[in-house]
Amino acid sequence: DTGVSQDPRHKITKRGQNVTFRCDPISEHNRLYWYRQTLGQGPEFLTYFQNEAQLEKSRLLSDRFSAERPKGSFSTLEIQRTEQGDSAMYLCASSGPGQGEETQYFGPGTRLLVL
Amino acid sequence: AQSVTQLDSQVPVFEEAPVELRCNYSSSVSVYLFWYVQYPNQGLQLLLKYLSGSTLVESINGFEAEFNKSQTSFHLRKPSVHISDTAEYFCAVSDPRTGGFKTIFGAGTRLFVKA
Repeated sequence: DTGVSQDPRHKITKRGQNVTFRCDPISEHNRLYWYRQTLGQGPEFLTYFQNEAQLEKSRLLSDRFSAERPKGSFSTLEIQRTEQGDSAMYLCASSGPGQGEETQYFGPGTRLLVL
Repeated sequence: AQSVTQLDSQVPVFEEAPVELRCNYSSSVSVYLFWYVQYPNQGLQLLLKYLSGSTLVESINGFEAEFNKSQTSFHLRKPSVHISDTAEYFCAVSDPRTGGFKTIFGAGTRLFVKA
């Protein structure tokens, strides 16, 4: 297994456009997380899935943000009507069931720039 | 609510010198504690973690951290650093009652090792 992958790695878009990011977790992991990281800050929790169920959403996640994990495998994060303040690195992580489930494995991130 | 404070945003140090990266957390309940490292142009990866038991935990590359409940600290130390330790280090905390899924990160400390 090659770890958590994210696509695309970079995205430049104009204000008002919609963007969608994809995350493929480690195959046996049932938990999937989305974070946002801005310059000089640590990752900020956005949302969390256990299998296909979205169990928690941060208040940071406005109505313009939606995440799905339809079959409990890959996940997508969509941002509608992007704003310049959405510019950030979007990180995905996954963790497995059983022992070690508290340890998250991170993907390389998708860097979003909204012009 | 849980929070993490990393007291130093940047730590420059000469090669082979000792280093301590400071981390304090606020939580009224038991915690899981983590140090993640991000090497240049790479994703976040786990360095070490405290779940329970011995308060001193070690990584495979010579780092150690000690959980101090009375001082609510989890400082990271290495007796002799290498150039290759140059990276950004993030302290993080999660709540065991929720299986540790919601992880709160500090703002990070950039360790810069000079020859």
